[in-house]
Amino acid sequence: EPEVTQTPSHQVTQMGQEVILRCVPISNHLYFYWYRQILGQKVEFLVSFYNNEISEKSEIFDDQFSVERPDGSNFTLKIRSTKLEDSAMYFCASSPFDEQYFGPGTRLTVT
Amino acid sequence: RKEVEQDPGPFNVPEGATVAFNCTYSNSASQSFFWYRQDCRKEPKLLMSVYSSGNEDGRFTAQLNRASQYISLLIRDSKLSDSATYLCVVDTGGFKTIFGAGTRLFVKA
Repeated sequence: EPEVTQTPSHQVTQMGQEVILRCVPISNHLYFYWYRQILGQKVEFLVSFYNNEISEKSEIFDDQFSVERPDGSNFTLKIRSTKLEDSAMYFCASSPFDEQYFGPGTRLTVT
Repeated sequence: RKEVEQDPGPFNVPEGATVAFNCTYSNSASQSFFWYRQDCRKEPKLLMSVYSSGNEDGRFTAQLNRASQYISLLIRDSKLSDSATYLCVVDTGGFKTIFGAGTRLFVKA
């Protein structure tokens, strides 16, 4: 069964550094999403992406964040100048239309 | 009012019990509705979509009441493996998805 994959599974970075989180969506899916989940809190929508452009973004998704689909398979989330409060699990999801399928997540720890 | 609101629980039930979860949403223009389950420190997994006509998948039944902006999930004959956090998810249309904070379920032998 096809699945969404994410790398790395755990990323440790120092405050102020840039990180790139990578996702490989399911191959025939058209819609892509990034979410974050701070430990003990709910899953928060960051951004949706369709047809090579952002469809919708939340208030969290400010200039510190960017997304890209650099080739036909990868979908990346870049976080610039990381802060302690960026420490969270970041989930990628893909969808053929409305049902979303999530990757296993990248745990980002900012020290 | 929160965009998607759920009773946080926890619900502690014995094996074989029937348990029901409720969820309300604030945006009347919301288009699609889902239940996901999330195990500790894992990704959300799609349990089922929720339709106005109601839908059933084995021991799981979901209902949607658009007039009341209310979604429910019923689990019959609970198994130990049903222990998880159940997430109510609403697509507001325009590709923005809102998650509820989840309802924790513990099924005990």
